[in-house]
Parts: sequence; structure tokens; C-alpha cells
Amino acid sequence: EDQVTQSPEALRLQEGESSSLNCSYTVSGLRGLFWYRQDPGKGPEFLFTLYSAGEEKEKERLKATLTKKESFLHITAPKPEDSATYLCAFLNYGGSQGNLIFGKGTKLSVKP
Amino acid sequence: DVKVTQSSRYLVKRTGEKVFLECVQDMDHENMFWYRQDPGLGLRLIYFSYDVKMKEKGDIPEGYSVSREKKERFSLILESASTNQTSMYLCASRTSGINEQFFGPGTRLTVL
Repeated sequence: EDQVTQSPEALRLQEGESSSLNCSYTVSGLRGLFWYRQDPGKGPEFLFTLYSAGEEKEKERLKATLTKKESFLHITAPKPEDSATYLCAFLNYGGSQGNLIFGKGTKLSVKP
Repeated sequence: DVKVTQSSRYLVKRTGEKVFLECVQDMDHENMFWYRQDPGLGLRLIYFSYDVKMKEKGDIPEGYSVSREKKERFSLILESASTNQTSMYLCASRTSGINEQFFGPGTRLTVL
């Protein structure tokens, strides 16, 4: 069964303390790995899409990487405004159209 | 920028009421989606539509129906609301050929 697992469930960092969030997946054929950011009470905001192992994308303090079995979201020198829940998802072609299958998220808290 | 709007941010209904949740996107996207998000369960797909008047069941369609009479509008209907339908409901859209989905702000529905 295709599935995606995120770890840790929650992560507390001090401002400036770099770390990584993990998204591991078991799918029969990966057709895209997506990262979203979600603030409390709001809808997810799209961050990155990765399609092939070795691919990397960056945006400000965030860098997403992809291997054959997992993706990492690296956060360099985080600030309190980076506090949010980060969701990963993979593209599933099980239905007639491509749908996203989401992990349960990592809740990041950055303290000043 | 893609804009997805939802008719209400917060909604309180009684058990047995018929509930309509509306979603509108302004980017001429062909595909639209309804999810619910619950603590510990993540985002789960209820229904999606890839064209006007077309609909397909997602992972948890029971107790819900949808309507798509116009390309920009996708409605989620709870025929007879129950307390286990208390949740955050998120609408998303994407254009064909592009895999990223863009989300609305969400509707927090409470069924008493």
C-alpha cells in the first residue's frame, strides 16, 4: 500500500538552530513529491515540488531534497515566523486523475 | 496569483441539517478538490472534479455529495449533518498538466 510518513510529529527549535524534517514514502512509482506549509486555522500553502532523486529546491531558509525513499526539508537558521505545520504529499495516479496523498505533518515551533 | 475562496471561515450547524460549503477559484482551473482535515488523521480526500458536471469519489465520500455546475465553483453538501462531520474542510484547485494544488483558507464546521 502506498503511504507517506513524516517525522518527527513535532519539533521545537531555538531561533538560529538549523534542523531537518523527514518525509519517507513507499509508493510503487513516485510521480511527484510536494511540500506545503500550513499556519494554524489556514489552508496549506504550496512550497516545492520534486520529481526525481537528487533534485533540490530552495526558498529563503528552506531547502527540499529528494532521494529514492525519502525527502528532507532542511531549515537553516530558522526564525519564529517559520513556525508552522509542514506537510508532504506524493502524487497518486490510482484514480482517473492525479491526486495528492498527504502525510500527517510536522509541527515546527521556533522560539526566539 | 491563484485565489481559492470558501464561503465561510466558521460554521455551526445542528445535527440533521443540510449543509452547503461553497468554493470558488478564479484561475480557470479544471480540477477541484474537497478535503477534510482532522487532528492525527491529516488531510483526507472526500470528492474531486476534473470538469464541469463531473465528479469522482475520494477516500471518504460517505455522508457527502458534491455539485459542479460551473467551472469556477465546487460545492460540498452534507445531506444530513452529523457530529462526526465536525472538521476543517479545505477546498483546492489545480490546472490540468500542472500537479500543484492550491488551497482555500478552509471552513471550520462544528455540528452540534
